[in-house]
Amino acid sequence: DAKTTQPPSMDCAEGRAANLPCNHSTISGNEYVYWYRQIHSQGPQYIIHGLKNNETNEMASLIITEDRKSSTLILPHATLRDTAVYYCIVAISGGYQKVTFGTGTKLQVIP
Amino acid sequence: GAVVSQHPSWVICKSGTSVKIECRSLDFQATTMFWYRQFPKQSLMLMATSNEGSKATYEQGVEKDKFLINHASLTLSTLTVTSAHPEDSSFYICSAPGWRGENIQYFGAGTRLSVL
Repeated sequence: DAKTTQPPSMDCAEGRAANLPCNHSTISGNEYVYWYRQIHSQGPQYIIHGLKNNETNEMASLIITEDRKSSTLILPHATLRDTAVYYCIVAISGGYQKVTFGTGTKLQVIP
Repeated sequence: GAVVSQHPSWVICKSGTSVKIECRSLDFQATTMFWYRQFPKQSLMLMATSNEGSKATYEQGVEKDKFLINHASLTLSTLTVTSAHPEDSSFYICSAPGWRGENIQYFGAGTRLSVL
């Protein structure tokens, strides 16, 4: 899996949009960008993934740059329950490929 | 959605004993599951890939005789920590890729192991 780089921590005011960046400059053409989050003492939770187009679901939006070397996860209206560690991962889609976690970004949503 | 159940959620054992952790896919079949270990304030570290009907594949540095993995059915993988010692105390998490072939991982809630 390609390596990703994320800031170790970020703060966001409750109700505001949280924008979490990720650099993946060595991503391969067949690798997707996945985002997961882990709330304290729980198993990680899948959020969203994409190849090159922007994606949106009920949890978040994913913006991938045209050169695919970086991406941003957007939580449009952060709540206190969004406080978690967010992991950006690049991996091949299809089949049952192992996933390697980096250090992630600790997002603290502040009241 | 895909649900992965992990049991027990918390276990305390004496040094030298063995502990078994179960990981079940409740509403889908999983020919492959993954086991991770997480120490406090650290990221998840992949330990091994569990394959239904065949031997597990262990990551470099993980002792296969210490961490026994059995994947006897399409919905159940077990991790047994043999002769546990205090340094094995950790948060163990399993995952299974969903059925849609998109490599989306569904995780169990984790098992906190404390070895006294």
